[in-house]
Amino acid sequence: EAGVAQSPRYKIIEKRQSVAFWCNPISGHATLYWYQQILGQGPKLLIQFQNNGVVDDSQLPKDRFSAERLKGVDSTLKIQPAKLEDSAVYLCASSTDGLGVDGYTFGSGTRLTVV
Amino acid sequence: AQSVTQLGSHVSVSEGALVLLRCNYSSSVPPYLFWYVQYPNQGLQLLLKYTTGATLVKGINGFEAEFKKSETSFHLTKPSAHMSDAAEYFCAVGYNQGGKLIFGQGTELSVKP
Repeated sequence: EAGVAQSPRYKIIEKRQSVAFWCNPISGHATLYWYQQILGQGPKLLIQFQNNGVVDDSQLPKDRFSAERLKGVDSTLKIQPAKLEDSAVYLCASSTDGLGVDGYTFGSGTRLTVV
Repeated sequence: AQSVTQLGSHVSVSEGALVLLRCNYSSSVPPYLFWYVQYPNQGLQLLLKYTTGATLVKGINGFEAEFKKSETSFHLTKPSAHMSDAAEYFCAVGYNQGGKLIFGQGTELSVKP
């Protein structure tokens, strides 16, 4: 079974620039999550999709972050404009159900550095 | 607000020694409980989980954890540490409220030869 694919693995941008991350979940996984992991901290949920609908985006800074999941499969997360404090690893995860009972399968993440 | 606390951001043990990583959660609602491991420059990998049933759960790589409701704890143990166990470990809790997981801040495990 292929895992959760994310790209790019690394990205360095200047503040106020824009950036986009891509995620392809495990086939058949209806639920997709984007987490932000700042150095030295645990992951924090940014947004959760169930198929192509948003379940929870309460922690997403909507003035600069946006995410979509077209056709209920791949997803993109965008930041525009980026700030220094957005430097983090952005993790995509997917699960078979919307309850998290089985846990998640995580991708390797995209490490963003904003300079 | 629901939260997860991992005691000790860094734990160092000798190879062959007992590994004990502590996790406590705050909730009056029975949670689902997870331990994840993260190796450098990689995503998180599920070690083990507790949902219902037996409170002592076994995971991969010889790790196990026990759910103690009275103590709101889910500590991770391994009888004998191996050099390959050096990594970051995260405790997480979930509830039957849409699949969101709340993570602790992580514990970095170092294993000395």
